[in-house]
Amino acid sequence: EIVLTQSPATLSLSPGERATLSCRASQSVGYSYLAWYQQKPGQAPRVLIFGASNRATGIPDRFSGSGSGTDFTLTISRLEPEDFAVYYCQHYDQASGVTFGPGTTVDIK
Amino acid sequence: QVQLVQSGTEVKKPGSSVKVSCKASGDTFSNYPMSWVRQAPGHGLEWMGGILPISDASNYARKFQDRVTITADESTSTVYMELSNLRSDDTAVYYCARDIYDASGNFYFDRWGQGTLVTVSS
Repeated sequence: EIVLTQSPATLSLSPGERATLSCRASQSVGYSYLAWYQQKPGQAPRVLIFGASNRATGIPDRFSGSGSGTDFTLTISRLEPEDFAVYYCQHYDQASGVTFGPGTTVDIK
Repeated sequence: QVQLVQSGTEVKKPGSSVKVSCKASGDTFSNYPMSWVRQAPGHGLEWMGGILPISDASNYARKFQDRVTITADESTSTVYMELSNLRSDDTAVYYCARDIYDASGNFYFDRWGQGTLVTVSS
């Protein structure tokens, strides 16, 4: 079973700064199966990026995804106040189903 | 635009079972797989399993295989998740989510229910 590791666990930044979040898989994964979600307190997650680099409908272009193989990155180019949240990467595998990374909290410095 | 509306908060005793529902509206229900994901307080997301309503084919995460049953009722566009032999560490918010497996082979969850809090306590 593929294990996803996210780093850092917490990222403390100011509005306007750039955020770079990492997701590393325990073995090489297909980019089609890598997605990123944002979750705010008391809310369900919402998809930001699918297929490693495709923005979901309605997601601002300050969010971008990249990567392949075992290393994937979510970048928020300029943090807006509403972007302070927890971010999860997710992988799908036909054999073992869906796994999520442990999450990265982006909080206000 | 599909909406997923889940049943309300549950409080259960250890050893009992809980059944949570998720009703879909606004889009074709049967053709999309649906999953259940849970989140313990202060913890991350954990996939439990899923079902394709049109075929009733289901699959489960190994961890929950012996205790979870996911079913679908096409007539009411509702998916159910039943978890048995509840323990205190099953206390969590349980979400249903719609799976998307698109023409390009991408997989992700595009719609989520609002979540159902299940508390297991003696």
